[in-house]
Amino acid sequence: IAGITQAPTSQILAAGRRMTLRCTQDMRHNAMYWYRQDLGLGLRLIHYSNTAGTTGKGEVPDGYSVSRANTDDFPLTLASAVPSQTSVYFCASSPEGALSSGANVLTFGAGSRLTVL
Amino acid sequence: GENVEQHPSTLSVQEGDSAVIKCTYSDSASNYFPWYKQELGKRPQLIIDIRSNVGEKKDQRIAVTLNKTAKHFSLHITETQPEDSAVYFCAAGFFFGNEKLTFGTGTRLTIIP
Repeated sequence: IAGITQAPTSQILAAGRRMTLRCTQDMRHNAMYWYRQDLGLGLRLIHYSNTAGTTGKGEVPDGYSVSRANTDDFPLTLASAVPSQTSVYFCASSPEGALSSGANVLTFGAGSRLTVL
Repeated sequence: GENVEQHPSTLSVQEGDSAVIKCTYSDSASNYFPWYKQELGKRPQLIIDIRSNVGEKKDQRIAVTLNKTAKHFSLHITETQPEDSAVYFCAAGFFFGNEKLTFGTGTRLTIIP
């Protein structure tokens, strides 16, 4: 089934530990994104990648890093987790010109709930 | 950058009544305004979107209106049903370049049977 897969679904992490959230899409979308969702704050962009090999900073990039070695995968790494990074993380993708015409709609993964203690 | 404000933060309506959620944006260059629905514990999914060359768009019981002069847009849900209960997010940005899409803070809609 085409779509986006995120892992893990949920994780409890001790402060100071390193954590990588995984994201894989099979829709051959050019662009991928990481958002965090916090109550009352909506969806905020952390990092994005418009094509394999390139990345960019979003609204809240501090404490996070990403890589885009190929079209399908876009992992998000927390080098040293802090409690303020407790959140639900959503990976998303969009065609951004990969497909001829049609909507450039964001497709979201199921989310990863991260708790940093 | 773009700033999107969304109101109300919570909304309860009787089943069968209409619901309206309003958003304002700050960047007059924005030309794409999608609405996402997020059911409890699920991922956000697009329900309707509008581009700045159109003032209104309808899809069955949902409609979106856009006032470019006032820089506000609204989601209208008619004949509400229990399955409409969810959190709704508006967003403003550009049709291409989703990295510039800015989301509102969400409206929790509850349909009262």
